[in-house]
Amino acid sequence: AQSVSQHNHHVILSEAASLELGCNYSYGGTVNLFWYVQYPGQHLQLLLKYFSGDPLVKGIKGFEAEFIKSKFSFNLRKPSVQWSDTAEYFCAVNTPPGTYKYIFGTGTRLKVLA
Amino acid sequence: SQTIHQWPATLVQPVGSPLSLECTVEGTSNPNLYWYRQAAGRGLQLLFYSVGIGQISSEVPQNLSASRPQDRQFILSSKKLLLSDSGFYLCAWSTGGSPLHFGNGTRLTVT
Repeated sequence: AQSVSQHNHHVILSEAASLELGCNYSYGGTVNLFWYVQYPGQHLQLLLKYFSGDPLVKGIKGFEAEFIKSKFSFNLRKPSVQWSDTAEYFCAVNTPPGTYKYIFGTGTRLKVLA
Repeated sequence: SQTIHQWPATLVQPVGSPLSLECTVEGTSNPNLYWYRQAAGRGLQLLFYSVGIGQISSEVPQNLSASRPQDRQFILSSKKLLLSDSGFYLCAWSTGGSPLHFGNGTRLTVT
């Protein structure tokens, strides 16, 4: 079955530390990839997306993600986190692209200490 | 611009009572509509999706049902709630392979 794995369930970092959240998917065909963020008490918001082209995708608030097709991965990165990045982060795959089927990972809770 | 409205934000209902959660989308036509349930540590579980009026597909057998009486209206229902129906329910829309756009969610507590 198709799945999306986020291996880090809880991450705690100090401000200014670098962040990398892992995301791996199991589908072998073409995919659209997304990272969503949910700040405390808020709705899910799109951080960034990858459809095609440059595998290094830049999103809002200084986040970026790299699509590595050979590793079926789409890891999220930020060079220097802020306290305001405290949130839950979800990786999602739309496969086949353009269909209704969006598969989400179980999420990673990030806590940034001031 | 497109907006999505979901209500109520919170709901406390006794076991055995009916449920109706409503979601409407503005600013787009013929969207794909979705109901998800979000559980802590388990991500988002797709419950229902709809590609058009009256067209509902269920992903997970359960005590819930969905309806789409109008193009931009999606309703999640139950005739008799169970304790296990407690959770956080999210409505979302998309067009084609675009990103999903989520509503603010409904926190349902069944007592």
